[in-house]
Amino acid sequence: DSGVTQTPKHLITATGQRVTLRCSPRSGDLSVYWYQQSLDQGLQFLIQYYNGEERAKGNILERFSAQQFPDLHSELNLSSLELGDSALYFCASSATIPGKQYFGPGTRLTVT
Amino acid sequence: ILNVEQSPQSLHVQEGDSTNFTCSFPSSNFYALHWYRWETAKSPEALFVMTLNGDEKKKGRISATLNTKEGYSYLYIKGSQPEDSATYLCASDQTGANNLFFGTGTRLTVIP
Repeated sequence: DSGVTQTPKHLITATGQRVTLRCSPRSGDLSVYWYQQSLDQGLQFLIQYYNGEERAKGNILERFSAQQFPDLHSELNLSSLELGDSALYFCASSATIPGKQYFGPGTRLTVT
Repeated sequence: ILNVEQSPQSLHVQEGDSTNFTCSFPSSNFYALHWYRWETAKSPEALFVMTLNGDEKKKGRISATLNTKEGYSYLYIKGSQPEDSATYLCASDQTGANNLFFGTGTRLTVIP
């Protein structure tokens, strides 16, 4: 158990819908990272937050957004969902930069 | 998008054999190289973070080396055991912000 929690574990929704994925980092970790794992691709970095502020953006679509709240939990919002958004979404946190990232169990999103 | 490449893509070894994998990454703007172990149905687990040229890290039977000048890292497993079966991912931090660009991994299967 990494100490990072993600909810929900599975999510099935229809095209065009909007969903919110939630992540709670390890106690004390200020940095939160979101990654997408699609079937045909490796882990793709989406976005990073540090202590409530956006720190870096990767290959995140404009339909996706995220935020980190004062209690340091983070939410990833995915809107106007398409079939191709079906993937495993991981959240990770770290205490230091550079530093090991601790991954949550992931949320498996299926868009039908 | 960074080119982090891993080889081989997959590998089968007999229990007791030693093995190694390669990760290559851009040598310019390098900050850190991470290795993760990803077992099926689990989430990636951090093994090592290396930052300096010539770094060597060891954890039990697993060790890693880093050459930042030529842009490669090796992961070694001594005396492979069936429980070592997993996908081994490397990831490069080229910004200093700890956001990682992952390779597609080396899938190791250790045959009892």
